[in-house]
Amino acid sequence: NAGVTQTPKFQVLKTGQSMTLQCAQDMNHEYMSWYRQDPGMGLRLIHYSVGAGITDQGEVPNGYNVSRSTTEDFPLRLLSAAPSQTSVYFCASSYSLDSSYEQYFGPGTRLTVT
Amino acid sequence: SQQGEEDPQALSIQEGENATMNCSYKTSINNLQWYRQNSGRGLVHLILIRSNEREKHSGRLRVTLDTSKKSSSLLITASRAADTASYFCATDAAPYSGAGSYQLTFGKGTKLSVIP
Repeated sequence: NAGVTQTPKFQVLKTGQSMTLQCAQDMNHEYMSWYRQDPGMGLRLIHYSVGAGITDQGEVPNGYNVSRSTTEDFPLRLLSAAPSQTSVYFCASSYSLDSSYEQYFGPGTRLTVT
Repeated sequence: SQQGEEDPQALSIQEGENATMNCSYKTSINNLQWYRQNSGRGLVHLILIRSNEREKHSGRLRVTLDTSKKSSSLLITASRAADTASYFCATDAAPYSGAGSYQLTFGKGTKLSVIP
């Protein structure tokens, strides 16, 4: 099992550009989520999904879009990149939304917006 | 908003010593989880403790939970250089009332340095 994979590992964008961060998992997990991690901060939830076709907003959703057309994939779209979106992005998956299940994290995408 | 807060923010110890990290949270919880993050990597789950449990062990890890004080501690015994990492606690919000209360909220972490 590859677990949770994310691409790309690094990305530099100019302000106003758009891009998609890819996330895939091969564990047949229903729950997937996107977090951002900024220096000295914990992880903040951007969007999450409890199954194919179902997504919802987390704590910091503005400027990001998600969709979940399959169980395996959960891409995160930056619509018009801003310097405030410079961060490390982590995708995670879990068997269930229920917090009694552990989350499995991808290796992260380090994004810089200039 | 962040539920859990780890203390201390940074901790430096010699190899072989024990390391203790604390997590305090604001509202009642159902479950509390601890994660480790090595530099530049994703988080890795270490241990989960439920609100009706007081202590759990996993290898060199010991986690305690005091719901009356809304706090948890993570003890790593006989630390090794490979334990150098950031450690995060993550909590949900009890009672479950809507999807938001299931979500794990992560603290800012304790950065542990184990000196060989």
